[in-house]
Amino acid sequence: DTEVTQTPKHLVMGMTNKKSLKCEQHMGHRAMYWYKQKAKKPPELMFVYSYEKLSINESVPSRFSPECPNSSLLNLHLHALQPEDSALYLCASSQNDPWTGLGEQYFGPGTRLTVT
Amino acid sequence: GQQLNQSPQSMFIQEGEDVSMNCTSSSIFNTWLWYKQDPGEGPVLLIALYKAGELTSNGRLTAQFGITRKDSFLNISASIPSDVGIYFCAGQLEEGTGANNLFFGTGTRLTVIP
Repeated sequence: DTEVTQTPKHLVMGMTNKKSLKCEQHMGHRAMYWYKQKAKKPPELMFVYSYEKLSINESVPSRFSPECPNSSLLNLHLHALQPEDSALYLCASSQNDPWTGLGEQYFGPGTRLTVT
Repeated sequence: GQQLNQSPQSMFIQEGEDVSMNCTSSSIFNTWLWYKQDPGEGPVLLIALYKAGELTSNGRLTAQFGITRKDSFLNISASIPSDVGIYFCAGQLEEGTGANNLFFGTGTRLTVIP
């Protein structure tokens, strides 16, 4: 089983709203990732959690706040977003963390976010 | 970040034809991954390659890890309509260069004409 689940599938929010994206994996993977993908572009890395600790933040604005409650769950809290933040937000996980090993990353289906 | 050049950018082919696409970099990579992404969905892992020269198949798909470790190739044989989508290569740098993040190619958009 290589399934990563994400909720919600679609989200529309205003610039003053607070919302959260959720991601879950039950593969026992040690690393979890958030990516942002704009139309017709490859995914761009935002955050990496390794053993439930934030290990990489790719200079993401503070209006995006990640959280890893446990080894299976990853959240992305959103606050005061801008219309240009509208994108497909992808969660991924991998057995090995990016500092100590190579390996495959498995992606969830994504959350299509629209900021109005 | 690292730039992976993927070509072609787009392809229009007839059903039943074979497809070839490639990914090149100026850096040495330790891992090459190939993904397929349907509109509005997340990328799905097709093939993972870990050794220079490695040739791996997954059904009608075959991918190769280039000998120089700076490139990779994906072939699809006897294309069918459900092969439509965007194909991304992704690589992880040589060990010792820091976090082994995935660097993505720019994608190849495949259209199959029935």
